[in-house]
Amino acid sequence: ETGVTQTPRHLVMGMTNKKSLKCEQHLGHNAMYWYKQSAKKPLELMFVYNFKEQTENNSVPSRFSPECPNSSHLFLHLHTLQPEDSALYLCASSQEAGPYEQYFGPGTRLTVT
Amino acid sequence: GQSLEQPSEVTAVEGAIVQMNCTYQTSGFYGLSWYQQHDGGAPTFLSYNALDGLEETGRFSSFLSRSDSYGYLLLQELQMKDSASYFCAVITTDTDKLIFGTGTRLQVFP
Repeated sequence: ETGVTQTPRHLVMGMTNKKSLKCEQHLGHNAMYWYKQSAKKPLELMFVYNFKEQTENNSVPSRFSPECPNSSHLFLHLHTLQPEDSALYLCASSQEAGPYEQYFGPGTRLTVT
Repeated sequence: GQSLEQPSEVTAVEGAIVQMNCTYQTSGFYGLSWYQQHDGGAPTFLSYNALDGLEETGRFSSFLSRSDSYGYLLLQELQMKDSASYFCAVITTDTDKLIFGTGTRLQVFP
């Protein structure tokens, strides 16, 4: 595997479910990011991890809970989501010194019913 | 606050040249990046400008004017595969994260 991978690619969940999104990067990067992409809106940064430490939480509701066990893996735990949380969730990574050049995974298309 | 403005859509024909603009307002500024995203795909990095002037990479060029808070992406010899959304993104001096614009959707016609 090369680059940034994400699983699952598609997810449908009810408002009372708990699920997790997984991201793995094989680039040797030190920084990892979660973004939300909704139609007609810019990419919204959710969380940033540098060397496994969370350095940014962009006022994200607590129903989204990130986890970064090491510099190659990133999770986004989801619980009691709302229909407006339906979106494409993208993971990205970069060298710590180069956040301007980020490598994105293919995303997870999430639908909350 | 911070904001970036991009035209929502641009159309052009194969072989033509197209320029996509980005204006920004930030409290501080490090540089401007450009990303391409095909429908259903992941954003991919195209270029980064930290200094004024034009950077060229093959058919793609990116320009920055810090004094005008303005940049553009220039695509030459357009191909059908260039149909995609193009996002500008800034890094500001008070953060080390990218702030994205809403993107310009480019449609290339035969």
